[in-house]
Amino acid sequence: DAGVTQSPTHLIKTRGQHVTLRCSPISGHKSVSWYQQVLGQGPQFIFQYYEKEERGRGNFPDRFSARQFPNYSSELNVNALLLGDSALYLCASSLGQPLGEQYFGPGTRLTVT
Amino acid sequence: AQRVTQPEKLLSVFKGAPVELKCNYSYSGSPELFWYVQYSRQRLQLLLRHISRESIKGFTADLNKGETSFHLKKPFAQEEDSAMYYCALPYSGGGADGLTFGKGTHLIIQP
Repeated sequence: DAGVTQSPTHLIKTRGQHVTLRCSPISGHKSVSWYQQVLGQGPQFIFQYYEKEERGRGNFPDRFSARQFPNYSSELNVNALLLGDSALYLCASSLGQPLGEQYFGPGTRLTVT
Repeated sequence: AQRVTQPEKLLSVFKGAPVELKCNYSYSGSPELFWYVQYSRQRLQLLLRHISRESIKGFTADLNKGETSFHLKKPFAQEEDSAMYYCALPYSGGGADGLTFGKGTHLIIQP
């Protein structure tokens, strides 16, 4: 198993545009969480999806949305991009058990100009 | 509000010396804490968690509820311990897996 995969690796967008980031979890994992990591900071929780339903949400505006597909892969969507959205976006998958280990992907580096 | 504080952005010690990475937290209720590590060019991964009380790669961490701390310790540092270390606790109000991370400490082990 290649572990958690994310695509694209990096991308550059302009302010006001929309972006979609993708994540494929480890086989057998039903939970996907998304994090935003700004340079010099720790990862910040955005969403968790389990069995295709949102289980939790961090303190992020409605411009951020996500969904999970029947194969448990997930997409993170960000509308009306701002310069401050430039960050590394991490996806983590897990079995979905409370306090379980999360397995992180390599991240997608988003630059907004 | 819950918070994780890692006061040291950078910690440099010599090989063989003891290491202590500090983590303080604020959390309502009984916390479960984690240490995640990111080695150079690798993914963020779990190092250890309070609930399992195990020692991983020689590292241990004890939860001190009185001091609200979960410091990570190793008696003899090795060069391969050089990495970015993050302390984390469950994100209050989030999902079962959501975590709140500290800003991280960059540990450098000098030869």
